[in-house]
Amino acid sequence: EIVLTQSPGTLSLSPGERATLSCRASQSVSSSYLAWYQQKPGQAPRLLIYGASSRATGIPDRFSGSGSGTDFTLTISRLEPEDFAVYYCQQYGSSPSTFGQGTKLEIK
Amino acid sequence: QVQLQESGPGLVKPSQTLSLTCTVSGGSISSGSYYWSWIRQPAGKGLEWIGRIYTSGSTNYNPSLKSRVTISVDTSKNQFSLKLSSVTAADTAVYYCARDSGAAAGGSFDYWGQGTLVTVSS
Repeated sequence: EIVLTQSPGTLSLSPGERATLSCRASQSVSSSYLAWYQQKPGQAPRLLIYGASSRATGIPDRFSGSGSGTDFTLTISRLEPEDFAVYYCQQYGSSPSTFGQGTKLEIK
Repeated sequence: QVQLQESGPGLVKPSQTLSLTCTVSGGSISSGSYYWSWIRQPAGKGLEWIGRIYTSGSTNYNPSLKSRVTISVDTSKNQFSLKLSSVTAADTAVYYCARDSGAAAGGSFDYWGQGTLVTVSS
């Protein structure tokens, strides 16, 4: 199965700053089938990005995804207070679908 | 707006079978080319995909759980269900149901239930 490694484990930033989260796959992700999710405490994950770079319905344009092959990035251009959460990447190009271990984005 | 809701016992004894149902509202479970998945998350840990079903009954399971998992669908009730047999404490987790976009090997998950905590303990 494809192992996804997210970095950093924790990212400490201030509102208004730019956040860059990384997701590296142990082998190439087919057809850029890579998604990003945001999860807040006590809530289900929320789909942000699918197909590596397509924003899901209702997701603000400050969220963007990029990458292909084995290296993918989620960028939040200007952090809002509600963006502080845990972020997961997921690959669904190869079965079984797998998730990264998460990056916690915390307020500095 | 599609909504999903998990239901089932919150406490299961070791060696028994965990059974959960996901009820879909706001749309037919049979409409569109969607799969319907189960995902779990142990407390403080990451997400693990368990398996998925299409409304035809076709299933895909995570090999790590395949020998113990059965997912079924009841289109007349707009529900799909999870059974996980021979549970141990390691199966204690929040279990989510989700709509799966249906890509070839798996999908992204655009709608999720709120999750239900299942504890395995005697």
